[in-house]
Amino acid sequence: SQKIEQNSEALNIQEGKTATLTCNYTNYSPAYLQWYRQDPGRGPVFLLLIRENEKEKRKERLKVTFDTTLKQSLFHITASQPADSATYLCALDESGTASKLTFGTGTRLQVTL
Amino acid sequence: NAGVTQTPKFRILKIGQSMTLQCTQDMNHNYMYWYRQDPGMGLKLIYYSVGAGITDKGEVPNGYNVSRSTTEDFPLRLELAAPSQTSVYFCASSYSTGRGHEQYFGPGTRLTVT
Repeated sequence: SQKIEQNSEALNIQEGKTATLTCNYTNYSPAYLQWYRQDPGRGPVFLLLIRENEKEKRKERLKVTFDTTLKQSLFHITASQPADSATYLCALDESGTASKLTFGTGTRLQVTL
Repeated sequence: NAGVTQTPKFRILKIGQSMTLQCTQDMNHNYMYWYRQDPGMGLKLIYYSVGAGITDKGEVPNGYNVSRSTTEDFPLRLELAAPSQTSVYFCASSYSTGRGHEQYFGPGTRLTVT
């Protein structure tokens, strides 16, 4: 069966450290993989998109890697800040048309001083 | 631009009642989507639309209906509310040119069916 797995346990890290979140998937062949941030009581906000033929993508303090052989994406936040505390969702786009996304359950990140 | 707006923000329904969740976007996006999010679960696609007059089922369409008469609006209809439809509902939109575009989400509607 198809499955997208993100660590359901919260990730607690100290300010200034690098946070690494994992997204593993099985029985999918995504053309694109996206990462979103969701704050409590709000809708998800897009962060980064990476294509199947890209290994890595960066945006400011954010970095995403995509390994289609391991069927895994890693999401890194460097020099983390308390304001980075949120739930991070990965989403797969297999369809290529209509950009339909299948979401993981998300990982909650807590950055402490 | 207001982006994607949803109304109402909160609603409590009795079992068997009906209601329409409104969604409007002002970004001239052709693609629009409805998701539901249950606690501890990922977003599940209910219905989507690739343009005015065109709609299609997502992963969990049972108990819902949609229409898309204009580019801007994509209402979601619950005909006979059931407790299983208690959830947070998000509307989203995206560009339709090319492939792999990000989605823009509304603030959500929290629905409770009792």
